[in-house]
Amino acid sequence: EPEVTQTPSHQVTQMGQEVILRCVPISNHLYFYWYRQILGQKVEFLVSFYNNEISEKSEIFDDQFSVERPDGSNFTLKIRSTKLEDSAMYFCASSEPRGTEAFFGQGTRLTVV
Amino acid sequence: GENVEQHPSTLSVQEGDSAVIKCTYSDSASNYFPWYKQELGKGPQLIIDIRSNVGEKKDQRIAVTLNKTAKHFSLHITETQPEDSAVYFCAASRGGTNAGKSTFGDGTTLTVKP
Repeated sequence: EPEVTQTPSHQVTQMGQEVILRCVPISNHLYFYWYRQILGQKVEFLVSFYNNEISEKSEIFDDQFSVERPDGSNFTLKIRSTKLEDSAMYFCASSEPRGTEAFFGQGTRLTVV
Repeated sequence: GENVEQHPSTLSVQEGDSAVIKCTYSDSASNYFPWYKQELGKGPQLIIDIRSNVGEKKDQRIAVTLNKTAKHFSLHITETQPEDSAVYFCAASRGGTNAGKSTFGDGTTLTVKP
């Protein structure tokens, strides 16, 4: 069964460093999303991406964040200068061309120290 | 923006009993309501969804109901089993081409005791 894969599963970084979280969406999907989940809290929408551009973003997704689809298979989330409060699980999701339900990856646990 | 409230935050049932989780939403333009199950250390997994043109949907032991007028929807799990223990999230979306952009509820931790 096709699935969304994310790497790495766990990333530890020093405050102020840049991190790139990687995702490989399901191959025929055209809509891509990043969500985050701070430990014990709800899943929060960060950004949606379609046709090589951001289609929507939340207030959380400020200038420190960027997304990119560098090739035909990867979808990345970059945090330019990490803060302690960026520590969270980051989930990538993708959905079919009809734009129906989203399929989530296993997540990357980001720990900023 | 959309606000989704979910109750209860924790739910403990005996194996074989039913479990009900309720959500309300605020945005009348929302028309797609997925439910996700999240097991420890994993991403949310879609278990059932409902669209606004349908009042009820069932898939084996899981059913979801939607009252669009009252803006609330519920998840019903019958004949619960220990493997149903997980965190359940409701979500609301405007559907269409951006259906993957959802607002999530706070989650319900369901524990099924053998």
